[in-house]
Amino acid sequence: GDSVTQMEGPVTLSEEAFLTINCTYTATGYPSLFWYVQYPGEGLQLLLKATKADDKGSNKGFEATYRKETTSFHLEKGSVQVSDSAVYFCALTSYNQGGKLIFGQGTELSVKP
Amino acid sequence: EPEVTQTPSHQVTQMGQEVILRCVPISNHLYFYWYRQILGQKVEFLVSFYNNEISEKSEIFDDQFSVERPDGSNFTLKIRSTKLEDSAMYFCASSEGGINEQFFGPGTRLTVL
Repeated sequence: GDSVTQMEGPVTLSEEAFLTINCTYTATGYPSLFWYVQYPGEGLQLLLKATKADDKGSNKGFEATYRKETTSFHLEKGSVQVSDSAVYFCALTSYNQGGKLIFGQGTELSVKP
Repeated sequence: EPEVTQTPSHQVTQMGQEVILRCVPISNHLYFYWYRQILGQKVEFLVSFYNNEISEKSEIFDDQFSVERPDGSNFTLKIRSTKLEDSAMYFCASSEGGINEQFFGPGTRLTVL
């Protein structure tokens, strides 16, 4: 079945460092891809999305490009801040999945001043 | 900005008791979902609901679980006889439908003693 695999955490970076969190997926259809963020003690917030191959989603300095050839949707940010400390979830949905989201295991990011 | 709300934020119950978790989805959304996240694990799909009936349910969603939309605004998840392993964060989500983005509530932390 469809699945999402993320790089293991926790990831610890210094402020202003470059961030990459890897995400790869397996899907039989044509999924839409999402990154959700969960700040400490809070729920899930949509960070960005891409609905077709080669689309780039972006928000708050974060970017991810939908790569069909490598089945990847890696999250990047050029310069992280302490306030970016959170758990990041890659997810997919498709018509094959009836709209339900399938999540990766989450990657915890900790940014130190 | 419209948002999904959930009550209570934290529910403590004894094993074998019934609990009802409540959600108010975004008002013009048509699709409703429940997910759960056991501490430290990935977010898992439980059930989707559309047009006053269950669209899909996971294998986790056994006979102890039920969902209801008792009026035009609330969407509830009932666990009939809670088990220790039901302890988790439960998230409600809603969307306009299809593979559109889902908006999540802040979650209810359920603790079963």
